[in-house]
Amino acid sequence: DAGVTQSPTHLIKTRGQHVTLRCSPISGHKSVSWYQQVLGQGPQFIFQYYEKEERGRGNFPDRFSARQFPNYSSELNVNALLLGDSALYLCASSSAGRGQGYEQYFGPGTRLTVT
Amino acid sequence: ILNVEQSPQSLHVQEGDSTNFTCSFPSSNFYALHWYRWETAKSPEALFVMTLNGDEKKKGRISATLNTKEGYSYLYIKGSQPEDSATYLCAPQADGNTGKLIFGQGTTLQVKP
Repeated sequence: DAGVTQSPTHLIKTRGQHVTLRCSPISGHKSVSWYQQVLGQGPQFIFQYYEKEERGRGNFPDRFSARQFPNYSSELNVNALLLGDSALYLCASSSAGRGQGYEQYFGPGTRLTVT
Repeated sequence: ILNVEQSPQSLHVQEGDSTNFTCSFPSSNFYALHWYRWETAKSPEALFVMTLNGDEKKKGRISATLNTKEGYSYLYIKGSQPEDSATYLCAPQADGNTGKLIFGQGTTLQVKP
């Protein structure tokens, strides 16, 4: 079975531009979460979507938005890019949207560089 | 805000050594504790999910324990091998309504042959 896939692998954008990152969850998983990992820190939670509805949002500005499609794939959009948005963006999928102790499976990430 | 501390930050050991790492987290609002292994240029790999105080889990040479009352978890690697070289991340889940994980900075392990 394919794991979580993300595209593109790498991306270079200029300040002020917009970017869209994509994630396909493991087949049968209905929950997708997005995380941002800046060098030297652990991943930080951005969003969780379950059954196409936003379940949780981290402490990120409104320039960050996301959505989940009927096939449970997801897009993360970032507007008006800043240099500080340069990071590895990770997507995680799981079968459950709430509760405790369910495993979350991560994709390889998209490396975004803003110049 | 949940503050997750991992120690040590990095560790260099010889092949065959056993080692352990610590993850500390606030004991309130605890739902689960996740451990991940993250090798360079790969996806973070789920090692364990633990929910109950006193939980012990094992996968091959790697094991973990959980103390929710005092807010810590230990990860042990017995007889380290070069392929164990990776960053080990712990992440408590502090929200039962979402799967939101709060990650520590990780412990980077380097095993020398």
